[in-house]
Amino acid sequence: QSVLTQPPSVSAAPGQKVTISCSGSSSNIGTNYVSWYQQFPGTAPRLLIYEDNKRPSGIPDRFSGAKSGTSATLGITGLQTGDEADYYCGAWDSSLNAGGFGGGTKLTVL
Amino acid sequence: QVQLVQSGAEVKKPGASLTVSCKASGYSFTNSHIHWVRQAPGQGLEWMGRIDPSSGGTLYAQRLQGRVSMTTDTSTTTVYMELRSLRSEDMAVYYCARGLPGGFDPWGQGTLVTVSS
Repeated sequence: QSVLTQPPSVSAAPGQKVTISCSGSSSNIGTNYVSWYQQFPGTAPRLLIYEDNKRPSGIPDRFSGAKSGTSATLGITGLQTGDEADYYCGAWDSSLNAGGFGGGTKLTVL
Repeated sequence: QVQLVQSGAEVKKPGASLTVSCKASGYSFTNSHIHWVRQAPGQGLEWMGRIDPSSGGTLYAQRLQGRVSMTTDTSTTTVYMELRSLRSEDMAVYYCARGLPGGFDPWGQGTLVTVSS
């Protein structure tokens, strides 16, 4: 059972925009930073967004993060077939005093 | 560049112990926590715990308490994760990752652990 809740899958056409939601509680998203990760099959996760909405160097500005209350959203614009991957949100949980992740969302670019 | 390199794949029998290493380079080793995350086949990410290389202080996921230990060797900038009394449910890819204030970056390449009699 994941600490954070994500939709299992989303899909959109090339060139379109997609958003992936991440729902939590006051003890995790409501209090602490949210991060987002991209994972291709057989590879390690890669940090896409940290501190809710900041992009590490090398991450295109097609990727964006936002947070409101106890929910967060990852946005991807100008979808490319190379964006097909699993996406995970993460946040520290102050009540559990532990890290937590969403269950992951599989993005399909039709 | 900042890099975490993990030890190779392991095959273990149920009840055995596992040790995975994670060697850090490219940054000041004692300035960042190292976290361990695992991923069972076809499943999501599970946070296991973290170690502060500067103090050796640890914090473990409650469900792994008593079975997991994390240690650090500052002379070789290496972190170790030991998991004892292995079960079939421990079969997963194990990752180390550097902790930043708002995320984990980078991640090690992963270590595949197979538990089978």
